[in-house]
Amino acid sequence: GENVEQHPSTLSVQEGDSAVIKCTYSDSASNYFPWYKQELGKGPQLIIDIRSNVGEKKDQRIAVTLNKTAKHFSLHITETQPEDSAVYFCAATDSWGKLQFGAGTQVVVTP
Amino acid sequence: EAGVAQSPRYKIIEKRQSVAFWCNPISGHATLYWYQQILGQGPKLLIQFQNNGVVDDSQLPKDRFSAERLKGVDSTLKIQPAKLEDSAVYLCASSLGLAGDNEQFFGPGTRLTVL
Repeated sequence: GENVEQHPSTLSVQEGDSAVIKCTYSDSASNYFPWYKQELGKGPQLIIDIRSNVGEKKDQRIAVTLNKTAKHFSLHITETQPEDSAVYFCAATDSWGKLQFGAGTQVVVTP
Repeated sequence: EAGVAQSPRYKIIEKRQSVAFWCNPISGHATLYWYQQILGQGPKLLIQFQNNGVVDDSQLPKDRFSAERLKGVDSTLKIQPAKLEDSAVYLCASSLGLAGDNEQFFGPGTRLTVL
Protein backbone atom coordinates (compact mmCIF):
# COMPACT_ATOMS: atom_id res chain seq x y z
CA GLY A 1 0.00 0.00 0.00
CA GLU A 2 0.90 3.66 -0.07
CA ASN A 3 3.52 4.89 2.39
CA VAL A 4 4.06 8.63 2.82
CA GLU A 5 7.13 9.87 4.67
CA GLN A 6 7.46 13.51 5.76
CA HIS A 7 10.49 15.52 6.90
CA PRO A 8 11.39 17.31 9.05
CA SER A 9 9.18 16.52 12.03
CA THR A 10 9.81 19.99 13.49
CA LEU A 11 10.91 23.20 11.79
CA SER A 12 11.75 26.48 13.48
CA VAL A 13 12.14 29.55 11.28
CA GLN A 14 12.60 33.28 11.80
CA GLU A 15 9.72 35.45 10.70
CA GLY A 16 10.26 36.48 7.10
CA ASP A 17 12.37 33.44 6.23
CA SER A 18 11.25 30.53 4.05
CA ALA A 19 10.13 27.09 5.20
CA VAL A 20 10.37 23.89 3.18
CA ILE A 21 8.73 20.56 4.01
CA LYS A 22 9.46 17.43 1.98
CA CYS A 23 7.46 14.25 1.44
CA THR A 24 8.07 11.02 -0.40
CA TYR A 25 5.52 8.43 -1.47
CA SER A 26 5.74 4.83 -2.61
CA ASP A 27 2.72 4.14 -4.84
CA SER A 28 3.44 5.08 -8.45
CA ALA A 29 -0.34 5.19 -9.06
CA SER A 30 -0.77 8.16 -6.70
CA ASN A 31 -2.10 11.14 -8.64
CA TYR A 32 -3.29 13.67 -6.07
CA PHE A 33 -1.16 15.36 -3.41
CA PRO A 34 -2.85 17.76 -0.97
CA TRP A 35 -1.27 19.67 1.89
CA TYR A 36 -3.18 20.35 5.09
CA LYS A 37 -2.56 22.84 7.91
CA GLN A 38 -3.74 21.91 11.39
CA GLU A 39 -3.90 24.52 14.12
CA LEU A 40 -4.17 23.59 17.78
CA GLY A 41 -7.59 22.22 18.66
CA LYS A 42 -8.81 22.30 15.07
CA GLY A 43 -9.18 19.84 12.24
CA PRO A 44 -6.82 19.86 9.24
CA GLN A 45 -7.57 22.43 6.57
CA LEU A 46 -6.56 22.13 2.92
CA ILE A 47 -4.10 24.87 1.94
CA ILE A 48 -2.91 23.74 -1.48
CA ASP A 49 -2.95 20.64 -3.66
CA ILE A 50 -1.32 19.39 -6.82
CA ARG A 51 -2.22 16.75 -9.35
CA SER A 52 0.16 14.41 -11.11
CA ASN A 53 -0.05 16.21 -14.44
CA VAL A 54 1.40 19.40 -12.94
CA GLY A 55 4.94 19.98 -11.69
CA GLU A 56 4.43 23.13 -9.67
CA LYS A 57 1.60 25.21 -8.25
CA LYS A 58 1.68 28.50 -6.40
CA ASP A 59 -0.85 30.39 -4.30
CA GLN A 60 0.44 33.66 -2.87
CA ARG A 61 3.13 32.74 -0.31
CA ILE A 62 2.79 28.98 -0.62
CA ALA A 63 3.91 26.72 -3.43
CA VAL A 64 4.08 23.00 -4.01
CA THR A 65 6.40 21.08 -6.34
CA LEU A 66 6.02 17.51 -7.52
CA ASN A 67 8.64 15.17 -8.97
CA LYS A 68 6.79 12.06 -10.11
CA THR A 69 9.94 10.29 -11.27
CA ALA A 70 11.53 10.58 -7.85
CA LYS A 71 8.19 10.22 -6.04
CA HIS A 72 8.60 13.27 -3.91
CA PHE A 73 6.78 16.55 -3.40
CA SER A 74 7.50 19.61 -1.33
CA LEU A 75 5.73 22.54 0.30
CA HIS A 76 7.38 25.95 0.24
CA ILE A 77 6.24 28.84 2.41
CA THR A 78 7.90 32.19 1.74
CA GLU A 79 7.99 35.30 3.94
CA THR A 80 6.77 33.30 6.94
CA GLN A 81 4.52 35.00 9.49
CA PRO A 82 3.62 34.02 13.07
CA GLU A 83 0.20 32.82 11.87
CA ASP A 84 1.95 30.21 9.75
CA SER A 85 2.83 28.37 12.99
CA ALA A 86 0.93 25.06 12.89
CA VAL A 87 1.31 21.39 12.03
CA TYR A 88 1.46 20.70 8.29
CA PHE A 89 0.54 17.34 6.76
CA CYS A 90 1.25 16.09 3.28
CA ALA A 91 -0.91 13.35 1.80
CA ALA A 92 -1.14 11.21 -1.30
CA THR A 93 -3.93 9.12 -2.75
CA ASP A 94 -3.31 5.38 -2.81
CA SER A 95 -4.36 2.97 -5.56
CA TRP A 96 -7.90 2.98 -4.16
CA GLY A 97 -8.16 6.75 -4.13
CA LYS A 98 -7.85 6.96 -0.35
CA LEU A 99 -5.70 9.64 1.25
CA GLN A 100 -2.59 8.47 3.12
CA PHE A 101 -1.11 11.15 5.38
CA GLY A 102 2.44 11.85 6.42
CA ALA A 103 3.30 12.12 10.12
CA GLY A 104 3.25 15.91 10.10
CA THR A 105 5.70 18.80 10.54
CA GLN A 106 5.42 21.19 13.48
CA VAL A 107 6.34 24.63 12.13
CA VAL A 108 7.22 27.36 14.61
CA VAL A 109 7.71 30.90 13.31
CA THR A 110 9.57 33.07 15.78
CA PRO A 111 9.27 36.89 15.63
CA GLU B 1 -21.56 27.90 4.91
CA ALA B 2 -21.50 25.84 8.11
CA GLY B 3 -18.57 23.46 8.48
CA VAL B 4 -18.43 19.89 9.71
CA ALA B 5 -19.79 19.66 13.25
CA GLN B 6 -18.64 17.11 15.81
CA SER B 7 -19.59 16.37 19.39
CA PRO B 8 -18.51 15.99 22.04
CA ARG B 9 -15.23 17.88 21.75
CA TYR B 10 -13.64 15.99 24.64
CA LYS B 11 -14.37 12.68 26.33
CA ILE B 12 -12.62 10.87 29.16
CA ILE B 13 -13.58 7.28 29.92
CA GLU B 14 -12.11 4.24 31.61
CA LYS B 15 -10.99 1.22 29.66
CA ARG B 16 -13.72 -1.29 28.86
CA GLN B 17 -16.35 1.48 28.84
CA SER B 18 -18.20 2.45 25.69
CA VAL B 19 -18.29 5.82 23.93
CA ALA B 20 -20.02 7.35 20.92
CA PHE B 21 -19.11 10.29 18.71
CA TRP B 22 -21.43 12.24 16.47
CA CYS B 23 -20.75 14.01 13.19
CA ASN B 24 -22.86 16.32 11.03
CA PRO B 25 -21.23 16.85 7.62
CA ILE B 26 -21.50 19.87 5.35
CA SER B 27 -24.91 20.00 3.73
CA GLY B 28 -24.95 18.25 0.38
CA HIS B 29 -21.75 16.30 0.92
CA ALA B 30 -22.36 12.70 -0.06
CA THR B 31 -19.09 11.28 1.25
CA LEU B 32 -18.25 11.09 4.94
CA TYR B 33 -15.04 9.88 6.57
CA TRP B 34 -13.98 8.98 10.08
CA TYR B 35 -10.27 9.26 10.85
CA GLN B 36 -8.26 8.37 13.93
CA GLN B 37 -5.37 10.73 14.74
CA ILE B 38 -2.98 9.48 17.40
CA LEU B 39 -0.78 12.14 19.00
CA GLY B 40 2.18 12.96 16.77
CA GLN B 41 0.79 11.13 13.73
CA GLY B 42 -1.24 11.94 10.67
CA PRO B 43 -4.91 11.02 10.39
CA LYS B 44 -5.63 7.38 9.58
CA LEU B 45 -8.84 6.48 7.76
CA LEU B 46 -11.19 4.23 9.74
CA ILE B 47 -14.28 4.19 7.56
CA GLN B 48 -15.72 5.94 4.51
CA PHE B 49 -19.40 6.30 3.63
CA GLN B 50 -21.01 7.25 0.34
CA ASN B 51 -24.50 8.45 1.28
CA ASN B 52 -25.60 5.76 3.77
CA GLY B 53 -23.47 2.94 2.35
CA VAL B 54 -20.01 1.86 3.49
CA VAL B 55 -17.32 2.29 0.83
CA ASP B 56 -14.28 1.26 2.83
CA ASP B 57 -13.99 -0.04 6.38
CA SER B 58 -10.85 -2.10 5.92
CA GLN B 59 -8.98 -0.23 8.69
CA LEU B 60 -11.85 -0.29 11.21
CA PRO B 61 -11.25 -2.65 14.18
CA LYS B 62 -14.62 -4.25 13.83
CA ASP B 63 -14.43 -6.23 17.05
CA ARG B 64 -14.82 -2.98 18.99
CA PHE B 65 -15.58 -0.14 16.58
CA SER B 66 -18.83 0.40 14.70
CA ALA B 67 -20.18 3.26 12.63
CA GLU B 68 -23.39 4.11 10.90
CA ARG B 69 -24.76 6.87 8.73
CA LEU B 70 -28.50 6.64 8.83
CA LYS B 71 -30.37 8.57 6.15
CA GLY B 72 -27.06 9.49 4.53
CA VAL B 73 -26.49 12.61 6.63
CA ASP B 74 -25.32 12.44 10.26
CA SER B 75 -23.00 9.69 11.40
CA THR B 76 -22.03 8.09 14.69
CA LEU B 77 -18.87 6.21 15.56
CA LYS B 78 -18.94 3.90 18.58
CA ILE B 79 -16.23 2.13 20.53
CA GLN B 80 -17.19 -0.74 22.80
CA PRO B 81 -15.23 -1.70 24.82
CA ALA B 82 -12.52 0.96 24.74
CA LYS B 83 -8.84 0.16 25.17
CA LEU B 84 -6.00 2.40 26.32
CA GLU B 85 -4.62 2.51 22.75
CA ASP B 86 -7.87 4.08 21.52
CA SER B 87 -6.81 7.39 23.06
CA ALA B 88 -6.69 9.73 20.08
CA VAL B 89 -8.51 12.50 18.27
CA TYR B 90 -11.36 11.22 16.12
CA LEU B 91 -11.86 13.41 13.08
CA CYS B 92 -14.88 13.47 10.85
CA ALA B 93 -14.56 14.82 7.31
CA SER B 94 -16.89 15.20 4.36
CA SER B 95 -16.56 15.80 0.64
CA LEU B 96 -18.88 16.39 -2.27
CA GLY B 97 -17.97 13.22 -4.11
CA LEU B 98 -16.23 9.90 -3.87
CA ALA B 99 -13.15 10.62 -5.98
CA GLY B 100 -9.90 10.84 -4.07
CA ASP B 101 -9.18 14.35 -5.33
CA ASN B 102 -12.36 15.83 -3.88
CA GLU B 103 -11.43 18.29 -1.15
CA GLN B 104 -12.11 16.86 2.28
CA PHE B 105 -13.41 19.27 4.91
CA PHE B 106 -12.56 18.29 8.47
CA GLY B 107 -14.43 18.91 11.68
CA PRO B 108 -12.65 20.00 14.89
CA GLY B 109 -12.43 16.44 16.18
CA THR B 110 -13.26 14.67 19.43
CA ARG B 111 -10.33 14.13 21.77
CA LEU B 112 -10.77 10.77 23.54
CA THR B 113 -8.75 9.85 26.60
CA VAL B 114 -9.02 6.27 27.84
CA LEU B 115 -7.76 5.75 31.41
